[in-house]
Amino acid sequence: QVKLLQSGAALVKPGASVKMSCQASGYTFTDFLLNWVKQSHGKSLEWIGEIYPNSGATNFNEKFKGKATLTVDRSTSTAYMDLSRLTSDDSAIYYCTRSGYSAFAFWGQGTLVTVSS
Amino acid sequence: EIVLTQSPTTMAASPGEKVTLNCLASSSVRYMNWYQQKSGASPKLWIYDTSNVASGVPNRFSGSGSGTSYSLTVSSMEAEDVATYYCLQLSSYPFTFGAGTKLELK
Repeated sequence: QVKLLQSGAALVKPGASVKMSCQASGYTFTDFLLNWVKQSHGKSLEWIGEIYPNSGATNFNEKFKGKATLTVDRSTSTAYMDLSRLTSDDSAIYYCTRSGYSAFAFWGQGTLVTVSS
Repeated sequence: EIVLTQSPTTMAASPGEKVTLNCLASSSVRYMNWYQQKSGASPKLWIYDTSNVASGVPNRFSGSGSGTSYSLTVSSMEAEDVATYYCLQLSSYPFTFGAGTKLELK
């Protein structure tokens, strides 16, 4: 079955960067788009961007350009998101989600990022 | 950017009651997806391509709509349906979610 296993919670200082991972299993990694979604505490969901694992091509929400960098490692079926110059507004749960059925069909368990000094 | 406006923001329904959640798009979209999110859990795909019920979703759930107006209906409310429901459009970039409707049990 499809699984997306995300890295654990991170506590980072303002101005620093954080890199989180999303390891995929149960399907051919290069066959499906991977997306990243942000959920601030108690709030709705925001689409950050998507990556095509076979080529590494990306599309971003304009709001997150310069903030997020998406990469993949095809040898380990793992997607990464790097968030830079962190502020308190970046404190949130970040989800990776795989496309399918014209939707975001499968979701990881989320990675909690807390930005605090 | 297409803005999705969900209504109501919160609603309480009695067991057995029929419930309709709405999602209004600021521009026409080709289809709508719906997600259920329970407290502390990841969102789950609930309805895709406007009216297709995802695997494992009870058949009391249905979706409909076109253009700018979409809805999710629960034919008979059950306690396990308590959750927040979000709509999502993938018709144009940037992809956008609605703010969610919190469904509670009366």
